[in-house]
Amino acid sequence: DAGVIQSPRHEVTEMGQEVTLRCKPISGHDYLFWYRQTMMRGLELLIYFNNNVPIDDSGMPEDRFSAKMPNASFSTLKIQPSEPRDSAVYFCASSPREPLWAGELFFGEGSRLTVL
Amino acid sequence: GDSVTQMEGPVTLSEEAFLTINCTYTATGYPSLFWYVQYPGEGLQLLLKATKADDKGSNKGFEATYRKETTSFHLEKGSVQVSDSAVYFCALSDSGGGADGLTFGKGTHLIIQP
Repeated sequence: DAGVIQSPRHEVTEMGQEVTLRCKPISGHDYLFWYRQTMMRGLELLIYFNNNVPIDDSGMPEDRFSAKMPNASFSTLKIQPSEPRDSAVYFCASSPREPLWAGELFFGEGSRLTVL
Repeated sequence: GDSVTQMEGPVTLSEEAFLTINCTYTATGYPSLFWYVQYPGEGLQLLLKATKADDKGSNKGFEATYRKETTSFHLEKGSVQVSDSAVYFCALSDSGGGADGLTFGKGTHLIIQP
């Protein structure tokens, strides 16, 4: 069975460039989450969607970050313009049901972003 | 707000040693508690969970008991293996209503030496 698929696995870019990270959740999952992982701050929830609708984006650091989910099988996280402090591993995760009760999120392998 | 505190790593042990990774939490409601594991180069995966006080979660020889009185959920394993080397995350999901993902601790890097 295919898990959560993220691309690219690694991205190196220069400050000021636009970065787009992509995620394909597990088919049938209603919830999709974007997390950012850094050594200093650990795992931070950026935004999550329920049935393609953004529910909570309070974790998005600033206006340079945006996320979309145009359909049930695809989501993007965009950073424009990128800055060195955005360097991190970005994880996408999906869940098949009310995660409040189940608590099991299925994570992709992450996209490691380096902004020079 | 909700928060999870877990012991800093790395934790280095010899094979077959006893493992404890401490985790304490702060939450406004009655959270469910989880341990996730992240192997090198991979995403996180659920290791075990407990949804109410005094519940014990267990999987792959790991155990953790939900202690409401001490707001703790320590991870234990009686005899670790080299293959257990990974980063372990304690997490909670608050029952305040709404699906808002999980609040994670910063992770504890575990290194098991042969």
